[in-house]
Amino acid sequence: AQSVTQLDSQVPVFEEAPVELRCNYSSSVSVYLFWYVQYPNQGLQLLLKYLSGSTLVKGINGFEAEFNKSQTSFHLRKPSVHISDTAEYFCAVSSIKAAGNKLTFGGGTRVLVKP
Amino acid sequence: GAVVSQHPSRVICKSGTSVKIECRSLDFQATTMFWYRQFPKQSLMLMATSNEGSKATYEQGVEKDKFLINHASLTLSTLTVTSAHPEDSSFYICSARLFGRTGGALGYEQYFGPGTRLTVT
Repeated sequence: AQSVTQLDSQVPVFEEAPVELRCNYSSSVSVYLFWYVQYPNQGLQLLLKYLSGSTLVKGINGFEAEFNKSQTSFHLRKPSVHISDTAEYFCAVSSIKAAGNKLTFGGGTRVLVKP
Repeated sequence: GAVVSQHPSRVICKSGTSVKIECRSLDFQATTMFWYRQFPKQSLMLMATSNEGSKATYEQGVEKDKFLINHASLTLSTLTVTSAHPEDSSFYICSARLFGRTGGALGYEQYFGPGTRLTVT
């Protein structure tokens, strides 16, 4: 079984400032890692994912994340946020070998970008 | 590519009635789809895994007879909430699984629908 912890439930940040959203996971097996964004009353959109290879992953909208196996972390960063980045962000994992590759989500981090 | 749609986007029904929600993969075939439930300001909770041509696999605590899932084709899965009650009011999101190569790596990825807001009065 896996679990995902997003350490910050809410992150206020000023426009054009950097932001980091923290994600730690627990799993006894190798996992794939994902970050999704959800705008109000909408489904989830994939920002980026780590399957294998380089531990620094670049995604859409200027986001990037770094996989740290020793710390079991997959923190999401953006060097300069925009008002439009205000949304809920979810970190998720799936077991590489688990049947169906079900996703386990963290509790979410609400990012509020202030002008 | 890899677009998933849901219909309806919003539905209001009376207590005791049944509601059907459709999830379609528009430009790919999906042997596996997933149904999630999301309460306000909370994370997504997996309800069930829908497999084309076979019975769905439900997560612990999800009532099979209340949440009926049918995956009759490679592009369509339906979730029927039977005898709905106000506590069933929620945001229901589906996803479709696709296997392929992305960024040099092979693996599964889920593509999510836009969600269906169910309100039971």
